[in-house]
Amino acid sequence: QKEVEQDPGPLSVPEGAIVSLNCTYSNSAFQYFMWYRQYSRKGPELLMYTYSSGNKEDGRFTAQVDKSSKYISLFIRDSQPSDSATYLCAMSGSSNYQLIWGAGTKLIIKP
Amino acid sequence: EAGVVQSPRYKIIEKKQPVAFWCNPISGHNTLYWYRQNLGQGPELLIRYENEEAVDDSQLPKDRFSAERLKGVDSTLKIQPAELGDSAVYLCASSLSRAETQYFGPGTRLLVL
Repeated sequence: QKEVEQDPGPLSVPEGAIVSLNCTYSNSAFQYFMWYRQYSRKGPELLMYTYSSGNKEDGRFTAQVDKSSKYISLFIRDSQPSDSATYLCAMSGSSNYQLIWGAGTKLIIKP
Repeated sequence: EAGVVQSPRYKIIEKKQPVAFWCNPISGHNTLYWYRQNLGQGPELLIRYENEEAVDDSQLPKDRFSAERLKGVDSTLKIQPAELGDSAVYLCASSLSRAETQYFGPGTRLLVL
C-alpha cells in the first residue's frame, strides 16, 4: 500500500461546479500538506500549503486537513476551464522534509 | 525573476545510448532536486543537493545514473547507458532550503527506443 493514495480520475465536471479533490495517507508523522497543480507538459506549481490540521482559503481554493482521519481535500469553487490540469497532493514530516506525492488527479472542466 | 530552467525539453535516444539533462535553479536557491515522473504518477525523488553536496541520493540508480552540481549552482543528471524503462519526465526543482517551497522547472521528456 502506498503512503499517499489519490484517485487518478479523470474527473470531469461542468464549468461553475464545485470540485472536490482528495488524498488519504498512512503516515501519522506528516505535518505539512501541499497541493500542486500541473498543466500538460509543465512542471508542478504550488497551489496551496497547510501546516497540521485545519482549513486554508485562497480565492476560489480551499484546502482542508483532517489528521484524525488522515485525509486531505482541495475544493475549487466556481470552476473554470483554465482549472483543467492534474492536481497532485504532497506531504512531509517536520524532521524529514522529503515530499511524498500522490499519483495526481486529472481534472477536466467542461465549458 | 527567472524560474528553474531545464534543457533540453525533449530527448529521443536509442537504448544503451548516454543522455544528459541540465538544470539551472532559481538564483539564491541552495537546495536542488532531481525527480523522475512516470506517466500517471507523482514525482519520485532521485537526488537532493544542499549547495554542491549530494545529501540524499538513496533513490538514484547508481549503476547507470550520475549527477553533479559544480559550484553549487547548476546541475547535470546523466544516464549511461539508457534503458527502455528510463522513459519518463525528469524534473528539476529548487528551494531556498529543504524546508521551503520547491519550485519546479518544465522538465525534460525522455523517450528511449
